[in-house]
Amino acid sequence: AQSVTQLGSHVSVSEGALVLLRCNYSSSVPPYLFWYVQYPNQGLQLLLKYTSAATLVKGINGFEAEFKKSETSFHLTKPSAHMSDAAEYFCAVRGGSQGNLIFGKGTKLSVKP
Amino acid sequence: EADIYQTPRYLVIGTGKKITLECSQTMGHDKMYWYQQDPGMELHLIHYSYGVNSTEKGDLSSESTVSRIRTEHFPLTLESARPSHTSQYLCASSGIQGPGGNTIYFGEGSWLTVV
Repeated sequence: AQSVTQLGSHVSVSEGALVLLRCNYSSSVPPYLFWYVQYPNQGLQLLLKYTSAATLVKGINGFEAEFKKSETSFHLTKPSAHMSDAAEYFCAVRGGSQGNLIFGKGTKLSVKP
Repeated sequence: EADIYQTPRYLVIGTGKKITLECSQTMGHDKMYWYQQDPGMELHLIHYSYGVNSTEKGDLSSESTVSRIRTEHFPLTLESARPSHTSQYLCASSGIQGPGGNTIYFGEGSWLTVV
């Protein structure tokens, strides 16, 4: 069965610093992996997705993620944090015959001025 | 940008009331989903549908029910709300083919509080 683990429920960075949000997956088949962002009182917005094409995936708002099969990881990065990046980020893997998403517990990103 | 809409966005109701959370999408997607998210927690799938007249229970047991009479509409109903139903409910949809074929798009969520 597929699953994802997000390391760190809360990450705090200074504005302008590197953002690194960690996600490790478990899957018996080649995975489809996603990062979603959730701003306060809003639904989930897709940041980027990996669907077995390029291993480095570029998303919206300057975010990117690299699929590393050897490490079973799909970490999310952004070179320079902005105050508007403060939100909760969810890593997800497409799972099961239902084709639904299996989510990690989320990582709340805080950005300090 | 996804075209999936949920109403109401916020609802406070008394115990024992019947409520229906509406979800509509204009993308012609066959698959639709309902996720439940308690504050600060991960999302859990509670219902899904592959198409009209198809509904299935998800990974997390829920007292709610769903129906899929039209492709674009996937309402969720609680016959008798209880405080334990207080949560955020997120509707989502995905197509089968095309650039978004493997992408699940979410609505903005319905925040339900049962007092």
